[in-house]
Amino acid sequence: DTGVSQNPRHKITKRGQNVTFRCDPISEHNRLYWYRQTLGQGPEFLTYFQNEAQLEKSRLLSDRFSAERPKGSFSTLEIQRTEQGDSAMYLCASSSTTGTNTGELFFGEGSRLTVL
Amino acid sequence: AQSVTQLGSHVSVSEGALVLLRCNYSSSVPPYLFWYVQYPNQGLQLLLKYTSAATLVKGINGFEAEFKKSETSFHLTKPSADMSDAAEYFCAVTSSWGNEKLTFGTGTRLTIIP
Repeated sequence: DTGVSQNPRHKITKRGQNVTFRCDPISEHNRLYWYRQTLGQGPEFLTYFQNEAQLEKSRLLSDRFSAERPKGSFSTLEIQRTEQGDSAMYLCASSSTTGTNTGELFFGEGSRLTVL
Repeated sequence: AQSVTQLGSHVSVSEGALVLLRCNYSSSVPPYLFWYVQYPNQGLQLLLKYTSAATLVKGINGFEAEFKKSETSFHLTKPSADMSDAAEYFCAVTSSWGNEKLTFGTGTRLTIIP
């Protein structure tokens, strides 16, 4: 169990560019969550998957944001035409609906996005 | 809808002193409550969780929290602060067990004074 892995850890981009973040969850976890955390705030829910199905999206997730989990394993979060307001830490977390740790989220270290 | 309010964005305590981090919740249904800790450059880590089994919940690293329905509170305590406790702490709530769509508070940064 190597934990939840996120790449890249840091991304600096210019406004208008597209960026993609990748999350590799704990291998046996069937749920995967994306959160966003801005300075001085707690994490805010963006979306989550159970296996490959995207079950819920927050209203925070504008049309410029898209998330996928094509084979029920890793997930990508793409932001198109980035804006300065997208600057934040993007957190990925995974969980299992079975076993002793049901209900517990395991977080990655996050991917920090800076839009210039 | 659920929400949590963390009173005090910054708390400083002396090493060896009591740690008290405050969290009040709002929920129209019985809540499930969590405390997470975030060390610098690390991911959030679960400290403890309240799932209605017991009102006093013990977690890792000597932390505990007590669920008080009458006060809608879930404050985090530790009898004796250690330098390694310096971190940011987040309270979170969800409405149903197994639903990890958590609503987080704004966090409390804990500083330990030697």
